[in-house]
Amino acid sequence: RKEVEQDPGPFNVPEGATVAFNCTYSNSASQSFFWYRQDCRKEPKLLMSVYSSGNEDGRFTAQLNRASQYISLLIRDSKLSDSATYLCVVGVFNKFYFGSGTKLNVKP
Amino acid sequence: SQTIHQWPATLVQPVGSPLSLECTVEGTSNPNLYWYRQAAGRGLQLLFYSVGIGQISSEVPQNLSASRPQDRQFILSSKKLLLSDSGFYLCAWTVSGTAIGTQYFGPGTRLLVL
Repeated sequence: RKEVEQDPGPFNVPEGATVAFNCTYSNSASQSFFWYRQDCRKEPKLLMSVYSSGNEDGRFTAQLNRASQYISLLIRDSKLSDSATYLCVVGVFNKFYFGSGTKLNVKP
Repeated sequence: SQTIHQWPATLVQPVGSPLSLECTVEGTSNPNLYWYRQAAGRGLQLLFYSVGIGQISSEVPQNLSASRPQDRQFILSSKKLLLSDSGFYLCAWTVSGTAIGTQYFGPGTRLLVL
């Protein structure tokens, strides 16, 4: 079983749409949670950390449910520039585990 | 501020040839260092991580090895490359301690084994 699982997509949405990504993790000892963004042929970059109380950064909202071992990312008012692959990441002790990513295509 | 460097950016190597990829971090001390590989269209696979000089943990059995000869230098090596070693190799660092901090990635090396 994979440590982190994500729907690979692609999610094809029009500009202005709201889109949600989900992610599940298998290790109950997981300590830290993140969403990264990866553009084509580039390195991943941190989008936001995910906290138990949920957190928001502009159009992006992340939620964590430790009981269900589930993480989500909500993007409101999608922009063309949001097109990328979104990676769910879980930290356990000194290691990080990445989901395979969810691809988002925002269309004009 | 901290920066992370990787080189080379792109590499084409024949099967059976050796490999050496280098990663260096500036602006921090005693970082945790990581090597990942990303195959085309796939997620990141953790290959090695290091919490200090000379301390290497291997995650996946393979024909690759890693070394950390200096605090902020992490090297990925192979004696004989396989076709399956092709991919995007990423180095990353975090503040030392448990994996609760942000990971910062280098620009990566694209390796094509022919």
